[in-house]
Amino acid sequence: GDSVTQMEGPVTLSEEAFLTINCTYTATGYPSLFWYVQYPGEGLQLLLKATKADDKGSNKGFEATYRKETTSFHLEKGSVQVSDSAVYFCALKTGNQFYFGTGTSLTVIP
Amino acid sequence: EAGVTQSPTHLIKTRGQQATLRCSPISGHTSVYWYQQALGLGLQFLLWYDEGEERNRGNFPPRFSGRQFPNYSSELNVNALELEDSALYLCASSRPPTDTQYFGPGTRLTVL
Repeated sequence: GDSVTQMEGPVTLSEEAFLTINCTYTATGYPSLFWYVQYPGEGLQLLLKATKADDKGSNKGFEATYRKETTSFHLEKGSVQVSDSAVYFCALKTGNQFYFGTGTSLTVIP
Repeated sequence: EAGVTQSPTHLIKTRGQQATLRCSPISGHTSVYWYQQALGLGLQFLLWYDEGEERNRGNFPPRFSGRQFPNYSSELNVNALELEDSALYLCASSRPPTDTQYFGPGTRLTVL
């Protein structure tokens, strides 16, 4: 069935380091892909999304490219900040259903 | 603009009881989604309502049910509670045809 697999955490980085959180998916058809972020004490919020192959979603310095050939949607940021500490969820929508990954916890230390 | 609200924040029940969780979507949003976030399992899709109708449900037993009211708010009912139902229950809303979901803060259900 359809599913999302993202790298397990926790991930700890120093400020200004490069971030990659891997996400791969299995889906029939042509899903839309999302990254959601959950900051401490807050609800999930959409970070970025891409709706078709080769689309690049971007927001707040984060980017992810919809790669159909590798069924991936890896999240990247060139220089992380302490304020980026949060849990990141990769998700896909196919048909009438959403599938979320298990989340990757990121801690950025000064 | 007010966000998605959920009540109660916390709910403690004993095994075999029933729990009712409530969700109010963002104004103008007609779709409501329910998810279960159990420790280490990510978000598991439970139910999707749109325009008062159940559009889809995830792989959960029938004791998980719900409804959507004419004002688009929604209720999730869990009957015959089991210990493994302890989790954070998240509600999200969207305005079709957009597929962006906006999440509420969740209801923490603890089954003793």
